[in-house]
Amino acid sequence: AQSVTQLDSQVPVFEEAPVELRCNYSSSVSVYLFWYVQYPNQGLQLLLKYLSGSTLVKGINGFEAEFNKSQTSFHLRKPSVHISDTAEYFCAVILSGGSYIPTFGRGTSLIVHP
Amino acid sequence: NAGVTQTPKFRVLKTGQSMTLLCAQDMNHEYMYWYRQDPGMGLRLIHYSVGEGTTAKGEVPDGYNVSRLKKQNFLLGLESAAPSQTSVYFCASRGGESSYNEQFFGPGTRLTVL
Repeated sequence: AQSVTQLDSQVPVFEEAPVELRCNYSSSVSVYLFWYVQYPNQGLQLLLKYLSGSTLVKGINGFEAEFNKSQTSFHLRKPSVHISDTAEYFCAVILSGGSYIPTFGRGTSLIVHP
Repeated sequence: NAGVTQTPKFRVLKTGQSMTLLCAQDMNHEYMYWYRQDPGMGLRLIHYSVGEGTTAKGEVPDGYNVSRLKKQNFLLGLESAAPSQTSVYFCASRGGESSYNEQFFGPGTRLTVL
């Protein structure tokens, strides 16, 4: 069975500063990796996903993530955050061999201060 | 194209009352899911469906029932509501047979059980 750990429950940062949200996973087989964002009082929406190929994946709103197989990590980064990036961010994995059920991390609350 | 919609958006119940949450998707997706989201707990899967007429239990199914009579609809029922079921409920759908397809989420239903 796979698992996902988001190491930080909350990340405060000032506007225009860089940010990294950490995600580590464990799985005995290959997985696909996703980052979702949840803005206040909304549902989740996809930021980006890694399936194969280049380990650096670019998503919406200037976010990118890097897949590191040896460290089983999929950290999310943005070089300069905006107030509007304040949201909950979820990392998720699903077995690449065919599975119905993604496994979600518990989420990281990104709080951007002016 | 409305995506995933949920009805109602808000509901207050008294302990012991019953209710049904409706999820509808217009993307012809095979897979549908019900999650609950509680502070610090992330998303927890209640039930899911891999096609019309099928349902399966997730991580926290007790106290809930589901039905998928039509492909586009996934209903979540609470037969006898309890305060522990106070939560925000999200429905999601996913298309195709490939596990690399992302989930699409509804806007959520905020339920309070008094």
